[in-house]
Amino acid sequence: GENVEQHPSTLSVQEGDSAVIKCTYSDSASNYFPWYKQELGKGPQLIIDIRSNVGEKKDQRIAVTLNKTAKHFSLHITETQPEDSAVYFCAARYDKVIFGPGTSLSVIP
Amino acid sequence: DSGVTQTPKHLITATGQRVTLRCSPRSGDLSVYWYQQSLDQGLQFLIQYYNGEERAKGNILERFSAQQFPDLHSELNLSSLELGDSALYFCASSVAVGLAGEEQYFGPGTRLTVT
Repeated sequence: GENVEQHPSTLSVQEGDSAVIKCTYSDSASNYFPWYKQELGKGPQLIIDIRSNVGEKKDQRIAVTLNKTAKHFSLHITETQPEDSAVYFCAARYDKVIFGPGTSLSVIP
Repeated sequence: DSGVTQTPKHLITATGQRVTLRCSPRSGDLSVYWYQQSLDQGLQFLIQYYNGEERAKGNILERFSAQQFPDLHSELNLSSLELGDSALYFCASSVAVGLAGEEQYFGPGTRLTVT
């Protein structure tokens, strides 16, 4: 069945450093790849997304890249800040959204 | 605040019981989605309703059912509850049928504990 893998499961970085989270998906028909941030006690919130006809998208300190051939996509956060600490989920969508297992990011001041 | 509301915030019940979780989508959104989040299974899509009709089905157990009412609010009914049903249940909404690029807005969740 459809599956999304995500690595690493936990990530600690120093404030100001970059963080990279990588995902792979199994369904080649997937055409939309959102990333969600979930803070403690809250629901997931969309932070950036990319469609299958685009290779890269950037929004201030956040960027996402997509390699459709390899079925890989990645989230890049630059100049990390303590408020970036949260759980991040990648997802792939064709007819329904399949989420990765999540990455717990800790930014150490 | 996403504009999606869920009640109750917390629910504690016993095995074998039945509960109903409620969700009100953002104003104007026609689709409602239900997700289950547990430590071992992650965030799992359960079911989607669009304008009152079931649109897509995920890993929803037969003991679970949902519906969307004419005012677009939705209820998720969980019956014959088991310990393993303890989880966070999220509702999300989107403006239309949920095509690629259509953002889903998540509610704050209902934490269900089955004892």
